[in-house]
Amino acid sequence: QSALTQPASVSGSPGQSITISCTGTSSDIGSYNLVSWYQQHPGKAPKLLIYEDIKRPSGISYRFSGSKSGNTASLTISGLQTEDEADYYCCSYAGGPYVFGTGTKVTVL
Amino acid sequence: QVQLVESGGGVVQPGRSLRLSCVASGFTFSSFGMHWVRQAPGKGLEWVALISYDGSNKDYADSVKGRFTLSRDNSKNTLYLQMNSLRIEDTAMYYCARDQGAAGSWGQGTQVTVSS
Repeated sequence: QSALTQPASVSGSPGQSITISCTGTSSDIGSYNLVSWYQQHPGKAPKLLIYEDIKRPSGISYRFSGSKSGNTASLTISGLQTEDEADYYCCSYAGGPYVFGTGTKVTVL
Repeated sequence: QVQLVESGGGVVQPGRSLRLSCVASGFTFSSFGMHWVRQAPGKGLEWVALISYDGSNKDYADSVKGRFTLSRDNSKNTLYLQMNSLRIEDTAMYYCARDQGAAGSWGQGTQVTVSS
């Protein structure tokens, strides 16, 4: 159960779009349509942004979108806003257990 | 609205046990699987375990398998995590979350510190 690989940090200016990658293997991301993405602000509980690769829960902004190709999933944040500055984690079902990504710190310049 | 409240955390010595609880409200608890996820201080998220809606299926991370046990009481809308043989590396904030194809709604967490 090795952690999924994410870039340590990504930054962008307000209004720009950024993409966070999440690389796994054929045993997790590549085998199931069960990638999810979470946003976590300091001292707060994580919040679900995307589930089942591309679906947004009710109340989540359209600015957040998910995609997947092979063993790599991606989260795109469009129209970057200051409140988007946070840590982001991907997660995938791995045939029994789940595995989280290493996490990405998003900085809004 | 969905509310999850964890409790039972605290400071415990290595090798001892602790039981965490998660009380759910605002939804039909007996219809949803439930996750536990933990986060060590300054570290990332780590998935711990998942129990099915009726308790018949459970999955655990390798790091806790054989030491932690999940259970639930649907009559009390409560999820439990029995943690035995605790190690220093189990020190973390422990969150429960409702399953919706992912860890959906989350509680605010309960802190577990394993220290001699």
